[in-house]
Amino acid sequence: AQSVTQLGSHVSVSEGALVLLRCNYSSSVPPYLFWYVQYPNQGLQLLLKYTTGATLVKGINGFEAEFKKSETSFHLTKPSAHMSDAAEYFCAVSLKYGQNFVFGPGTRLSVLP
Amino acid sequence: DGGITQSPKYLFRKEGQNVTLSCEQNLNHDAMYWYRQDPGQGLRLIYYSQIVNDFQKGDIAEGYSVSREKKESFPLTVTSAQKNPTAFYLCASTFGPESTGELFFGEGSRLTVL
Repeated sequence: AQSVTQLGSHVSVSEGALVLLRCNYSSSVPPYLFWYVQYPNQGLQLLLKYTTGATLVKGINGFEAEFKKSETSFHLTKPSAHMSDAAEYFCAVSLKYGQNFVFGPGTRLSVLP
Repeated sequence: DGGITQSPKYLFRKEGQNVTLSCEQNLNHDAMYWYRQDPGQGLRLIYYSQIVNDFQKGDIAEGYSVSREKKESFPLTVTSAQKNPTAFYLCASTFGPESTGELFFGEGSRLTVL
């Protein structure tokens, strides 16, 4: 069975600092990979996704992620944190296009002034 | 604009009452999902449906029921058998002729049982 782990349930960074949120998955086949962001009392919004092709994926709001098959990782980064980035971030995988989604437990990002 | 509409946004009910949460999508998606979210526990799958008039239990289906009579609608009933119904409920959809692979989410419904 596939699973997703996110290292650190809570990450704090200073405004302007690098954001790094970690995601590792276990899967016997190459998965499709997603990062979602959730603001309080709202639904999840897609930040970026990897399906096929280039392993470095750029998303909205300046975020990007790199699929590393050898490390079974899909870490999310942003060069310079903004106060508006404070939210909860979820990594997700699916083994079949558009189906069988598994979510990580989430990482809450705080941005300090 | 296309999207997923959940209602109500906030709902308060007394213990022992059944509650139905609405989810409507105009994305022409075939598959629809219900997730439950509790603090620190991420998203847990309650039920999903890949086609009209068919649905499957997810990981935490006990105490919940669903129907899928129309492609665009997938209501969730939280029954009195659900022991701890207070939570944030999210509806999502995906897959179909125009699928881009990801789940699309509604804005959520927060249920509080008093």
